[in-house]
Amino acid sequence: AQKVTQAQTEISVVEKEDVTLDCVYETRDTTYYLFWYKQPPSGELVFLIRRNSFDEQNEISGRYSWNFQKSTSSFNFTITASQVVDSAVYFCALSEAFSGGYNKLIFGAGTRLAVHP
Amino acid sequence: GAVVSQHPSRVICKSGTSVKIECRSLDFQATTMFWYRQFPKQSLMLMATSNEGSKATYEQGVEKDKFLINHASLTLSTLTVTSAHPEDSSFYICSAEGGRNNEQFFGPGTRLTVL
Repeated sequence: AQKVTQAQTEISVVEKEDVTLDCVYETRDTTYYLFWYKQPPSGELVFLIRRNSFDEQNEISGRYSWNFQKSTSSFNFTITASQVVDSAVYFCALSEAFSGGYNKLIFGAGTRLAVHP
Repeated sequence: GAVVSQHPSRVICKSGTSVKIECRSLDFQATTMFWYRQFPKQSLMLMATSNEGSKATYEQGVEKDKFLINHASLTLSTLTVTSAHPEDSSFYICSAEGGRNNEQFFGPGTRLTVL
């Protein structure tokens, strides 16, 4: 069965600290996609990254970086020098291609990040 | 590009009434749209997948007669919560699949409160 686990329910940090959000997934497929989304208090999901299963290169985008390790089925997300505006709920998600031709997203439980000044 | 809108953004209704939520892909055609439900402090749970011109596919535990989905065109899907009750109060989010890589683009969500 497909599953996404975000073991950290809530994380609280002080501004400028680095923080890593963990994501572990389970899938039987060899082809899949992994995602991270940010959900601020407004509720709208903000897309952060999509990574396919064949690309294990780490990615950096500004203060954000992602570490994809197939050997441990993990796709962790690090925010460097956190800011108050980073306060939100972050979701990791897994997508597998279905025979119907569309991709179903399975979300983790989410990690609530609070960054304090 | 790749904008998905939802209407209304917020709705309050009395118990027993029906509520319709619209999801539109504004600048692309979406053969497939998805409806999610999110209860407070919980994750997004997929309710159903709708394909243009055919019946929606519902996830286990989701009542198809209560949550009516219509995907009449390539840019519009509607979710109707029939005979809504307080336990249906939730944040409903749609997404539309499109683009070169069949990505999912999310709408801003609709907050439903049933009194």
